[in-house]
Amino acid sequence: DAKTTQPTSMDCAEGRAANLPCNHSTISGNEYVYWYRQIHSQGPQYIIHGLKNNETNEMASLIITEDRKSSTLILPHATLRDTAVYYCIVRVANYGGSQGNLIFGKGTKLSVKP
Amino acid sequence: DGGITQSPKYLFRKEGQNVTLSCEQNLNHDAMYWYRQDPGQGLRLIYYSQIVNDFQKGDIAEGYSVSREKKESFPLTVTSAQKNPTAFYLCASTKEAGELFFGEGSRLTVL
Repeated sequence: DAKTTQPTSMDCAEGRAANLPCNHSTISGNEYVYWYRQIHSQGPQYIIHGLKNNETNEMASLIITEDRKSSTLILPHATLRDTAVYYCIVRVANYGGSQGNLIFGKGTKLSVKP
Repeated sequence: DGGITQSPKYLFRKEGQNVTLSCEQNLNHDAMYWYRQDPGQGLRLIYYSQIVNDFQKGDIAEGYSVSREKKESFPLTVTSAQKNPTAFYLCASTKEAGELFFGEGSRLTVL
């Protein structure tokens, strides 16, 4: 699986957009980009995933560059409850049984401040 | 509501004792997983199971054991052979090609 690189930490003002970058320069053509987040001492929560087109859901938007070597997770109006560690993961989506064998790195610690 | 339930939430054990962490899901998911998380670190895969009565080792299986006798249940035993068992343990499940659903975690402390 391709490795990802994320900044260790970021700050964002409450109500502003939070843009979390992720580099995945060795991503393969059949690998998706997944985002999860983990609020302190809780289990991680799925946010969004995509292959090459930009994706949006009720939580966030995912922008993937045309060459697919990087992506950005956008929280359009960050709140204090969005303070968490955000993990960017690349993985093939077809089940083969080990879909859960995702490599969770250290992620980006996002701090939303009043 | 459907979900994954882990118990206990907090657990203390003495060195040399085995301890079993429970993970139950009512999501009708086929695959289940156990991860370990140490402070300030990402998640590392211990074991996973795709179907009942079958499971595979993850990256750090030494000192751990699992069973999958029912689709809904995937208990993890932390044995005395695990040299550094103090950690936060997370259970997850998924349907085919779907996202992972995680439990709230169990925090194990060895005294």
